[in-house]
Amino acid sequence: KNQVEQSPQSLIILEGKNCTLQCNYTVSPFSNLRWYKQDTGRGPVSLTIMTFSENTKSNGRYTATLDADTKQSSLHITASQLSDSASYICVVSGMNYGGSQGNLIFGKGTKLSVKP
Amino acid sequence: DADVTQTPRNRITKTGKRIMLECSQTKGHDRMYWYRQDPGLGLQLIYYSFDVKDINKGEISDGYSVSRQAQAKFSLSLESAIPNQTALYFCATSDTRTGLVGELFFGEGSRLTVL
Repeated sequence: KNQVEQSPQSLIILEGKNCTLQCNYTVSPFSNLRWYKQDTGRGPVSLTIMTFSENTKSNGRYTATLDADTKQSSLHITASQLSDSASYICVVSGMNYGGSQGNLIFGKGTKLSVKP
Repeated sequence: DADVTQTPRNRITKTGKRIMLECSQTKGHDRMYWYRQDPGLGLQLIYYSFDVKDINKGEISDGYSVSRQAQAKFSLSLESAIPNQTALYFCATSDTRTGLVGELFFGEGSRLTVL
């Protein structure tokens, strides 16, 4: 069964500290993996996408990694800010046998709280 | 103005009432989706549409119906609302022209409470 597991469920850190969020998946065949940021009461917004051949990708203070062999991804946030308080959702896309993008499998998200 | 607009943003209704949530987009995307979000459960797919003539059920379609009135409009209906349909509902779009790297663009959400 295709699944996406995120950890931890929730995390509280102090402003200025770094943190790492984890995403493990069993989706196969794999197409790509996205990290979304969802502010409270708002729709998710894409932060970054990782395809099979990519190991690391940065978007400002956000750095995503992908290990396609172990089917793990992480999102590292550097020098956290109060505005980083949000839920971070990992979404994995499978691939149809025709090569087109298949179903999107959502993780349940990690709720990050950054305290002053 | 938002590229993906949902109306209403908040709605309180009673059990048994018919409710329609509407979604319109100005992004020109072909695919549209309706998701439901409950605390601790993540986003669950209700229905999706690849174009005006193509409607597909998602994981949790029971109790819901949809209509794709035009490429830019996709509405979700609850024919007879029940309390366990209380949730935050999101409309989203994506563009198949981007191939394997299609990104979902979400609306601001519609919070529905069924008493």
